[in-house]
Amino acid sequence: EAQVTQNPRYLITVTGKKLTVTCSQNMNHEYMSWYRQDPGLGLRQIYYSMNVEVTDKGDVPEGYKVSRKEKRNFPLILESPSPNQTSLYFCASGLGLSWRPREYFGPGTRLTVL
Amino acid sequence: QKEVEQDPGPLSVPEGAIVSLNCTYSNSAFQYFMWYRQYSRKGPELLMYTYSSGNKEDGRFTAQVDKSSKYISLFIRDSQPSDSATYLCAMRDSGNTPLVFGKGTRLSVIA
Repeated sequence: EAQVTQNPRYLITVTGKKLTVTCSQNMNHEYMSWYRQDPGLGLRQIYYSMNVEVTDKGDVPEGYKVSRKEKRNFPLILESPSPNQTSLYFCASGLGLSWRPREYFGPGTRLTVL
Repeated sequence: QKEVEQDPGPLSVPEGAIVSLNCTYSNSAFQYFMWYRQYSRKGPELLMYTYSSGNKEDGRFTAQVDKSSKYISLFIRDSQPSDSATYLCAMRDSGNTPLVFGKGTRLSVIA
């Protein structure tokens, strides 16, 4: 089944404790991205990657890191989480082509930072 | 002015009604327009995709794009309780640029 998977789905942590949210896709997509979704603010892009070893900042990159060492994986790293990073996070992937701009979203990771 | 404006609702309609959802945008370079549906506790899923201006129909759903007015719409005919969800418009200027989302409109279809 073609899908984007994220782990964990739910995470409660404390301020300053480094964490990684994994994202994996099995559709051989070039393009992957991370979003956060907050009430009243909608979906905002954190980082995106056009291909392996190529990453770019989105609208709200502060406090986050990403890496793209393999095509299928795009982990999101919070080196020192803070309460304002409490949010619902989505990973997405797509072909990244002008005529096929569709993005497929993962199921989401709900993160709470105490 | 935000790039994409979307009324957050909530919008509540009776079953069988025609629903109209809209977004306006300011960036005239946008040429790919999408509507996503997001059920509670789920990730967004693509509902409709339109390139440039015009209409596109898929079953009970019709997407319209008016680039001259910078206005896009999604119409849902014969709405069903299963259509109750948040609908997000999204757009980009090319396949390689980030999607810009509206904040979403929450729709409830009452049986």
